[in-house]
Amino acid sequence: DTGVSQDPRHKITKRGQNVTFRCDPISEHNRLYWYRQTLGQGPEFLTYFQNEAQLEKSRLLSDRFSAERPKGSFSTLEIQRTEQGDSAMYLCASSLGDRKEKLFFGSGTQLSVL
Amino acid sequence: AQSVSQHNHHVILSEAASLELGCNYSYGGTVNLFWYVQYPGQHLQLLLKYFSGDPLVKGIKGFEAEFIKSKFSFNLRKPSVQWSDTAEYFCAVSYNNNDMRFGAGTRLTVKP
Repeated sequence: DTGVSQDPRHKITKRGQNVTFRCDPISEHNRLYWYRQTLGQGPEFLTYFQNEAQLEKSRLLSDRFSAERPKGSFSTLEIQRTEQGDSAMYLCASSLGDRKEKLFFGSGTQLSVL
Repeated sequence: AQSVSQHNHHVILSEAASLELGCNYSYGGTVNLFWYVQYPGQHLQLLLKYFSGDPLVKGIKGFEAEFIKSKFSFNLRKPSVQWSDTAEYFCAVSYNNNDMRFGAGTRLTVKP
């Protein structure tokens, strides 16, 4: 499978714990995006990278959230001191070139904070 | 704030009925418009997109959408739905070649 892969598929954690998710984009794609989706809502933009540079961050991304893409390939999204409100599906997508190119989405990581 | 509105949260149709799902966006300069679909248990995938030119865009599986600039709308249509079209449909807008904003989605249920 040469699509976007995300790991893990599901994560259950206790409030206050730190969690880290990984996204492997399609290999030749230079743009990588993180979105968050809650039940009954569309994906909400969190941040995106052009190669290893993080170009934009949403106001939704509080100080507890950090994303990296150190070598311009895979990316990690870390949430520190998780809260129940962080429970959501975290989606990763990648694209080739500018915004006109379609996004290829991964299957997401479902986070449940107890 | 730039936003995307999908007015229908859940649409239920019988097979062979015609479909139209509404999408409106707030003004924000140059826009690129998309419809994404998420079939049960699958990830989001692109249905169709509009960048410029003919405002009537044809996508996969018989879907089409019309960009009406004066109404800030990009409604999705299909003349005759099938049971396999049961899915969630998301309208998305990219403003000024920046990040893509999604609507809340419309769940379509097609009864056989």
